[in-house]
Amino acid sequence: DAGVTQSPTHLIKTRGQQVTLRCSPKSGHDTVSWYQQALGQGPQFIFQYYEEEERQRGNFPDRFSGHQFPNYSSELNVNALLLGDSALYLCASSLAVGQGTEAFFGQGTRLTVV
Amino acid sequence: DQQVKQNSPSLSVQEGRISILNCDYTNSMFDYFLWYKKYPAEGPTFLISISSIKDKNEDGRFTVFLNKSAKHLSLHIVPSQPGDSAVYFCAASEYRGSTLGRLYFGRGTQLTVWP
Repeated sequence: DAGVTQSPTHLIKTRGQQVTLRCSPKSGHDTVSWYQQALGQGPQFIFQYYEEEERQRGNFPDRFSGHQFPNYSSELNVNALLLGDSALYLCASSLAVGQGTEAFFGQGTRLTVV
Repeated sequence: DQQVKQNSPSLSVQEGRISILNCDYTNSMFDYFLWYKKYPAEGPTFLISISSIKDKNEDGRFTVFLNKSAKHLSLHIVPSQPGDSAVYFCAASEYRGSTLGRLYFGRGTQLTVWP
């Protein structure tokens, strides 16, 4: 059973460019969340998708947008990249039913903006 | 505003001894708490969780204790093993209906278990 998979694993972009990161959730999971982890910090919530709609959003600018597809996979798009967007981007999947659900994380995409 | 705090950035413990990692939170609406372990170049790995209706949850060598009145939780690892050396993150969430909502993370505690 494949866990959460993210692509690519590493990416280098130039300031001002746009980037798209991809995530496939754990089999059977229908909810995908995205987090940004800066060096030395805990992951910060960007947004969560369920049933192809953004359900919750953290304190991130509109340059950060996302999408969820009918097969539950998801994309994170970041426009007009800034140097400060350099971070590890984590995708987490969970199941939108029942108590005791956990969020499982992928290995992350390391984005470097130069 | 950091709603989940891990005030110890690092902890060093001898193999076989108990490791105790602490976490405090400020939001009384949090009703579900999780611990994750993270190795370098990997995503966080789920360890153990606890609902606010409980005060203890145990899974093998890992036990999480929740003190709601003090808004404090702790993770106990007994016995500690060198392979436990990693960064440990505490996370908290509010359930929205039956769905696990956004997770609020602490900054992590680097645990080092030495032989």
